[in-house]
Amino acid sequence: GAVVSQHPSRVICKSGTSVKIECRSLDFQATTMFWYRQFPKQSLMLMATSNEGSKATYEQGVEKDKFLINHASLTLSTLTVTSAHPEDSSFYICSASRHEGGRTSTDTQYFGPGTRLTVL
Amino acid sequence: AQKVTQAQTEISVVEKEDVTLDCVYETRDTTYYLFWYKQPPSGELVFLIRRNSFDEQNEISGRYSWNFQKSTSSFNFTITASQVVDSAVYFCALTLNDYKLSFGAGTTVTVRA
Repeated sequence: GAVVSQHPSRVICKSGTSVKIECRSLDFQATTMFWYRQFPKQSLMLMATSNEGSKATYEQGVEKDKFLINHASLTLSTLTVTSAHPEDSSFYICSASRHEGGRTSTDTQYFGPGTRLTVL
Repeated sequence: AQKVTQAQTEISVVEKEDVTLDCVYETRDTTYYLFWYKQPPSGELVFLIRRNSFDEQNEISGRYSWNFQKSTSSFNFTITASQVVDSAVYFCALTLNDYKLSFGAGTTVTVRA
């Protein structure tokens, strides 16, 4: 269980175009999804927190008009990079949060396989 | 604010050697949760373990073991008898009640045959 998919896995686009990335939790409902960005050989940087049915919460320094997030259902969140430029080229990773009980009762984030965006 | 430090940038070992990854965290909260994730070359982060601040029991899962020491704010991870498939970047992370993860910089483990 706890499988998260991301589509597409890789995309190359021209500067000025918009790109949509989908994140789906396949076998569980996720109340919260997260979007991260990762540069080569660096750690993950949280971009925004997405809750179903409400507006996303963006981290400081992340342009909400540039990175549009829609969380349409408990299993789907989308990230649209609008008017993409070469500096937006990066590895984008989503995660879906599932509450788990047991020994440690908390939410655990399960990650998608990532989307490598290259803007020419 | 919380912070996670993984001081080891890269570790290279020969197959069957043990390798220990250090993780030191900082937080003023008494309730927090610690995680380890593995990121193989394919890029997908794989969840390995979570631990809450009130549970200091160490844990073993196959060749993996974790040592949680609140006294030193550390949550170290050991791979016993390493294998080539263990080659990956390993991230330690911490979250408070807001569930946002704070990641360490990651440690790249290379296991040579």
